[in-house]
Amino acid sequence: GEDVEQSLFLSVREGDSSVINCTYTDSSSTYLYWYKQEPGAGLQLLTYIFSNMDMKQDQRLTVLLNKKDKHLSLRIADTQTGDSAIYFCAESNRLAFGKGNQVVVIP
Amino acid sequence: NAGVTQTPKFQVLKTGQSMTLQCAQDMNHNSMYWYRQDPGMGLRLIYYSASEGTTDKGEVPNGYNVSRLNKREFSLRLESAAPSQTSVYFCASSGDNYGYTFGSGTRLTVV
Repeated sequence: GEDVEQSLFLSVREGDSSVINCTYTDSSSTYLYWYKQEPGAGLQLLTYIFSNMDMKQDQRLTVLLNKKDKHLSLRIADTQTGDSAIYFCAESNRLAFGKGNQVVVIP
Repeated sequence: NAGVTQTPKFQVLKTGQSMTLQCAQDMNHNSMYWYRQDPGMGLRLIYYSASEGTTDKGEVPNGYNVSRLNKREFSLRLESAAPSQTSVYFCASSGDNYGYTFGSGTRLTVV
């Protein structure tokens, strides 16, 4: 079956920017999502983007959507220790999640 | 607080034992899901229910059964637990295009 693909691990210094990438396959999905999973917790919806948008800014978060390449990215500005988590992308037409990107923020 | 409630939070079973994981949501969502999360495997869909009265298999349904008891509740049953079912189980619901709401998970160990 078709799944989202994500790179796996990112280490970043506190205060730097983080960029997490995801490749999806269902171009008909209306929404694309980013979820955050903190240690020992469930997934929480972090942000989403409507498929007819190229970019969405939400405080420290910037979502970029490249529909031609089916590429979704999440940029976290001024990364903080509370941003250490696993990040998953997902799409509204599919029930699949990627393997997730683990982000570790170094103080 | 509105959301998805899972019980129990932790469980240890012996091989061959059975148990039911409970999930309830109070958001009037139509769809509910059960996922398992294993290291390096991401989230894998076990079963889902698109609406009350319907259930469908996901990616990894073997060894599990589900019941959509009503609109609020969706339970996952392990009839004869195996060590390979040691995992963290998440229930989720969705009612619109604004994504899923997840429960806090059940950590299951089968010895």
